[in-house]
Amino acid sequence: QVQLEESGPGLVKPSGTLSLTCAVSGDSISSHNWWTWVRQAPGKGLEWIGEIYHSGFTNYKASLKSRVKISIDKSKNQFSLTVNSVTSADTAVYFCAREIMEASSTNWLDPWGQGILVTVSS
Amino acid sequence: SSELTQDPAVSVALGQTVRVTCRGDSLRTYSASWYQQRPGQAPILVLYGKNSRRPSGLPDRFSGSTSGDTASLTITGAQAEDEADYYCYSRDSSNKRGVFGGGTKLTVV
Repeated sequence: QVQLEESGPGLVKPSGTLSLTCAVSGDSISSHNWWTWVRQAPGKGLEWIGEIYHSGFTNYKASLKSRVKISIDKSKNQFSLTVNSVTSADTAVYFCAREIMEASSTNWLDPWGQGILVTVSS
Repeated sequence: SSELTQDPAVSVALGQTVRVTCRGDSLRTYSASWYQQRPGQAPILVLYGKNSRRPSGLPDRFSGSTSGDTASLTITGAQAEDEADYYCYSRDSSNKRGVFGGGTKLTVV
């Protein structure tokens, strides 16, 4: 059974850096899957942040690209998210998920981590 | 286009059938997947793939289809436990980045 678990600080100061880690168990981070970060602001919908492949190739949401970095640690079977220069707009529950791709036009997210609330506040 | 459009809210009587739709140009190229999210919980996958497959253990009252630029999630015989937010997800055909629909709040009355 594949499981993902987010960890990191629940409180970050404005203009600071948000750093989260997603530990993967039951699957290798080097498998032919993508590893994705999604967030959900309070009372809002899901927002795709970005993804990483085990080769290190990344894709980011265009509006976040200048502040976001996703990295991978094969030795620990985990991947991480860093968001710089955070504001209150970055307050959200952050989820990590495995993205499975079948052929070139079919993909889905499963499973998801339980999510971690990160609040940006002084 | 990078947008996937969903109706914000839909209601259904207990035991009746309801359809939740997701519209976007990218669905002509990429298949949609669907997620159920109950309050305070992480989303879970309910439908995926070109033929709208169900994950193991998901009730067969959930089904899906796609026609043109619109993907649909249908619940046949809605139950009280189906009350949740439903999100579609796909890829933006112009840049291949992931994109979610705005979500549909399903109420079972």
